[in-house]
Amino acid sequence: DMQMTQSPSSLSASIGDRVTITCRASQPINRWLAWYQQKPGKAPKLLIYEASRLESGVPSRFSGSDSGTEFSLTISGLQPEDFATYYCQQYNTEIQTFGQGTKVEIK
Amino acid sequence: QVQLVQSGAEVKKPGSSVKVSCRTSGGTFGSYSFSWVRQAPGQGLEWMGRIIPLVGTRKYAQKFQGRVTITADKSTSTVYMELISLRSEDKAVYYCARDRAPTVPASLRDWGQGTLVTVSS
Repeated sequence: DMQMTQSPSSLSASIGDRVTITCRASQPINRWLAWYQQKPGKAPKLLIYEASRLESGVPSRFSGSDSGTEFSLTISGLQPEDFATYYCQQYNTEIQTFGQGTKVEIK
Repeated sequence: QVQLVQSGAEVKKPGSSVKVSCRTSGGTFGSYSFSWVRQAPGQGLEWMGRIIPLVGTRKYAQKFQGRVTITADKSTSTVYMELISLRSEDKAVYYCARDRAPTVPASLRDWGQGTLVTVSS
C-alpha cells in the first residue's frame, strides 16, 4: 500500500518565519501530490496541486517543490491566518492517501 | 462556482447504517469524480473512496471494502455514501469532495461542509 510520511507532526513558528513541511511517498507518484490547509471546524482547502501548482486565489507565499519521492510545502513569511493544520495527499494511485498532518502553531 | 451541500448530523446505534448525501450545484456533475473523506475527532484525514457518476466507476479504500457504498444520482446531482455495521470508531465528520478537474488524476478542490456521524448506544 502507498504510504505518505509527513513531518513534522507539529511545529511552532512566529509571524514572518519561513516554514517547511515535508512529505515522503513510499513509491513514485509522478508529482500527483496536493497540499491542503485545514482550520478547526472547517473543511480542508486546496493550496497546491501537481506538487507545485498554486491553486487560484492562494497567496504566493505558499509554494510546493519536489525531489523524487520527497515533497515540500513552504510558507514564506508566516501570517496570522496561516496557523492551521496542513496535509499532503497523493492521488497517483486509484486509492488516494493523506499524510498524517502537520499542525502549525504560534510560538 | 460549484457548491457541495451535505445532509445533517446523524446519531446512530452500533451495528446500524448511515447514508450521507452530498448535493452539488453550480457546476458540471457527471464527468467529475467525487470522493468521500472522513476525519475522526482530533485525527487526520482519511480517504474512503470515490465515484465518477458519468460512468459509475467506483473505488474504495481497502479498510472500508464491504462496508461502504458510494452511489450517485445524476438526475439530482447528488452523491451518497452509505456505511454499514457502524461501530464507535466510525464517529467522525464525513466530507464529500469534488475533483479539481474532470480528468484523472486530480486533486480535491471543492468540499462539502461536513456531516458529523455519532455512533452511540
